[in-house]
Amino acid sequence: NAGVMQNPRHLVRRRGQEARLRCSPMKGHSHVYWYRQLPEEGLKFMVYLQKENIIDESGMPKERFSAEFPKEGPSILRIQQVVRGDSAAYFCASSPLAGGPNTGELFFGEGSRLTVL
Amino acid sequence: AQSVTQLGSHVSVSEGALVLLRCNYSSSVPPYLFWYVQYPNQGLQLLLKYTSAATLVKGINGFEAEFKKSETSFHLTKPSAHMSDAAEYFCAVSEGNQGGKLIFGQGTELSVKP
Repeated sequence: NAGVMQNPRHLVRRRGQEARLRCSPMKGHSHVYWYRQLPEEGLKFMVYLQKENIIDESGMPKERFSAEFPKEGPSILRIQQVVRGDSAAYFCASSPLAGGPNTGELFFGEGSRLTVL
Repeated sequence: AQSVTQLGSHVSVSEGALVLLRCNYSSSVPPYLFWYVQYPNQGLQLLLKYTSAATLVKGINGFEAEFKKSETSFHLTKPSAHMSDAAEYFCAVSEGNQGGKLIFGQGTELSVKP
């Protein structure tokens, strides 16, 4: 059973360009979370999505960042007009259920490391 | 608001020695608590979780953690460190109805000396 797949693993962009990060959740998982890890820091929640719905985007910057999880295909985190401060590791995680006994039991991908020059 | 504090950003132990990684939390509701491990250039892997059942929780790789409400702590321990335990460890908290929306601590990097 394949795990959470993220691509690209490494992405280099110049300031002002766009970055698109993709995440395919584990088979059977319909809940997707994006987290950002800045250097020397823990992970920070960005957004929680289910198929075709954004459930909670309270951790996402209001400008330049967007996320989607279409009916078909992977979840995408899009960063427009990147700045140096966007350089970070972006992790996607999935879970089969939103709450109950599996609350917080997330399955993480290996991350996409964005470097902005 | 919930928060997590991990005491010590770096911990170094000798192989075979006790591992103790400290975590204190703040939560206005009964929390769900987690420890995750991150190996270099990899994603996080769940070590163990507390969800209001037994206060002593056993996880993978010989790790365990004890929930102490009076101390608002959830420290991670392992009786005997192995070289393969070298990694970054994150404590996290969530409210029970928030699914995978976790608040992570800053992380503790564990080094194991031969």
